[in-house]
Amino acid sequence: GESVGLHLPTLSVQEGDNSIINCAYSNSASDYFIWYKQESGKGPQFIIDIRSNMDKRQGQRVTVLLNKTVKHLSLQIAATQPGDSAVYFCAEKGGGSYIPTFGRGTSLIVHP
Amino acid sequence: NAGVTQTPKFQVLKTGQSMTLQCAQDMNHNSMYWYRQDPGMGLRLIYYSASEGTTDKGEVPNGYNVSRLNKREFSLRLESAAPSQTSVYFCASSEFDGQDQPQHFGDGTRLSIL
Repeated sequence: GESVGLHLPTLSVQEGDNSIINCAYSNSASDYFIWYKQESGKGPQFIIDIRSNMDKRQGQRVTVLLNKTVKHLSLQIAATQPGDSAVYFCAEKGGGSYIPTFGRGTSLIVHP
Repeated sequence: NAGVTQTPKFQVLKTGQSMTLQCAQDMNHNSMYWYRQDPGMGLRLIYYSASEGTTDKGEVPNGYNVSRLNKREFSLRLESAAPSQTSVYFCASSEFDGQDQPQHFGDGTRLSIL
């Protein structure tokens, strides 16, 4: 989920495990949701998105689940690899706005 | 395909100096954005340009100006740098083709103000 203070929430997993990163959003008018991955020293990189007319979308090793009832979004990474270690951000957008709202991120650490 | 290119990658300034951060995208996107990222704060929008010829303030515009030079380029200027502007700055671009599309980010400019 979302961070409090200066420290990001951290998820530590073993290589090969499945990872689940959660995100709560607040705007019930949001209709577009995006997950980004940010590696150290780089910019955020688009992973997967989902629109509000869906509740699940799958990519390569990643699945995004959307629960509009409780305003919750999750990113599932299958068979997590050391290269998946990064900070993961969710973002929401809607109501005709040009501007997405970003969460603060979750740090994923994958141990070999 | 380079995507979003930011220059410079690193810069150190003294308080009061001015500087322009450059951003260019080659994806023919209409919208461009400038963000700053500070530890624990996530991405905060400074300014954005919904389309060529328009610019608007974001969440934290004070101390910054922008120029949308053409469809490809969107620059961010610090007229009189302050230590509070020490941060990592990201430029992004996106397109709306009848549906929202994700933003694409550059790799950032790491700026230190002494």
